[in-house]
Amino acid sequence: QVQLVESGGGVVQPGRSLRLSCEASGFTFSIFGIHWVRQAPGKGLEWVAFIPYDGSSNSYADSVQGRFTISRDTSKNMVYLQLNSLTTEDTAVYYCAKELQSYQRLFYFDHWGQGTLVTVS
Amino acid sequence: VLTQSPATLSLSPGERATLSCRASQSVGGYLAWYQQKPGQAPRLLIFDASHRASGVPARFSGSGSATDFTLTISSLEPEDFVVYFCQQRSSWPPTFGGGTKVDI
Repeated sequence: QVQLVESGGGVVQPGRSLRLSCEASGFTFSIFGIHWVRQAPGKGLEWVAFIPYDGSSNSYADSVQGRFTISRDTSKNMVYLQLNSLTTEDTAVYYCAKELQSYQRLFYFDHWGQGTLVTVS
Repeated sequence: VLTQSPATLSLSPGERATLSCRASQSVGGYLAWYQQKPGQAPRLLIFDASHRASGVPARFSGSGSATDFTLTISSLEPEDFVVYFCQQRSSWPPTFGGGTKVDI
């Protein structure tokens, strides 16, 4: 079955950096795009970043553009999110989520990981 | 902007739930619904306004277009008393509604 497992969260001071990882299994990783979506404590959901199946034309929310970088290593079935210049506004649970359709960028999220908490304080 | 109403919907098991999602501008049919249980990740229920995702029970249905959308749960089961979000992908960036909590 499809599994996405995030790691790398923790407590970090404002201005510092963190790298989140997402390990995928149970599907053909190389043909699906992957998203990061975050949820601040007690709040709603915010889409953060997307990397297509081939790693080209990544997309970012305006709130993280220039600070966060998404990447993937298809040989390891891994997606990464590098978080730089963190602020308290970035405190959230970060989920990686699989794109619904292969080869597409529909921006529907059909499988999610359990999330990893990033606390900027 | 997606506005979900009501914020909280209080119903009993077996009753019908009708959740609303209103968009500030037309999103065509490009709307999804997610269910989120406490402490868990969201689960895709409906995409493209009315298409049930794989494995989603038939009691969940979606309807609507343009700016007004509805998620209907025909007969509430105990596990359905959780939070539901709508999400649009028509305009950049993709955005979510604030959520509706269905409680007993």
